[in-house]
Amino acid sequence: IQLTQSPLSLSASVGDRVTITCRASQDIGDSLNWYQQRPGRAPKFLIHAVSTLQGGVPPRFSGSGSGTDFTLTITSLQPEDSATYYCQEYDNLPPRVTFGPGTKVEIK
Amino acid sequence: EVQLVQSGTEVAKPGDSLKISCQGFDYKFSNYWVAWVRQTPGKGLEWMGIIYPRDSDNRYSPSFRGQVTFSADTSINTAYLQLTNVKASDSGIYYCARRYGAGAFDIWGQGTLVTVTS
Repeated sequence: IQLTQSPLSLSASVGDRVTITCRASQDIGDSLNWYQQRPGRAPKFLIHAVSTLQGGVPPRFSGSGSGTDFTLTITSLQPEDSATYYCQEYDNLPPRVTFGPGTKVEIK
Repeated sequence: EVQLVQSGTEVAKPGDSLKISCQGFDYKFSNYWVAWVRQTPGKGLEWMGIIYPRDSDNRYSPSFRGQVTFSADTSINTAYLQLTNVKASDSGIYYCARRYGAGAFDIWGQGTLVTVTS
């Protein structure tokens, strides 16, 4: 399975609504997670199973989708959201994990 | 605080072997799968495989099988990644991460930078 993300980079202003798309090459149901990686840091787990926010993640982040098309939305972009965002899919029979190429979000 | 702490930067020559450690704190280490993920500028994030520390059950990504070895020592809450006969293309940042649920990773180590150069 391959994951594609679009756009690969974007520049937006504080307060903007930002949408990142992740597309799977075949149906993955709801086996889709999202991570945020700031420069020089490890990835941070944001969203589990398409739309479940992890504890401590601000509610301006949300996820949606199913099957092959998924989105990560930031409703009101903040300066600390400047990072690269990765989608990730998985299966366990056999074990497989794939990450998307990442979307770099910059603040104008 | 639940965390994974990895060993430090490694500089190796082609053909060398090296071993990276990942120690867990403030959770029952033996009960959670630990994954290894490599990050490089060219290929991004790559899942290398996963180990269950309690019984050292290993699952390797086909892309890395035969090139890496996972192990664990539950007495010191530590997982290991061994790289053998390294090449320049093995350079990158290696992360360990705790598996959450069926296939997410909720806690990540800080990363270990590996540079392979002659």
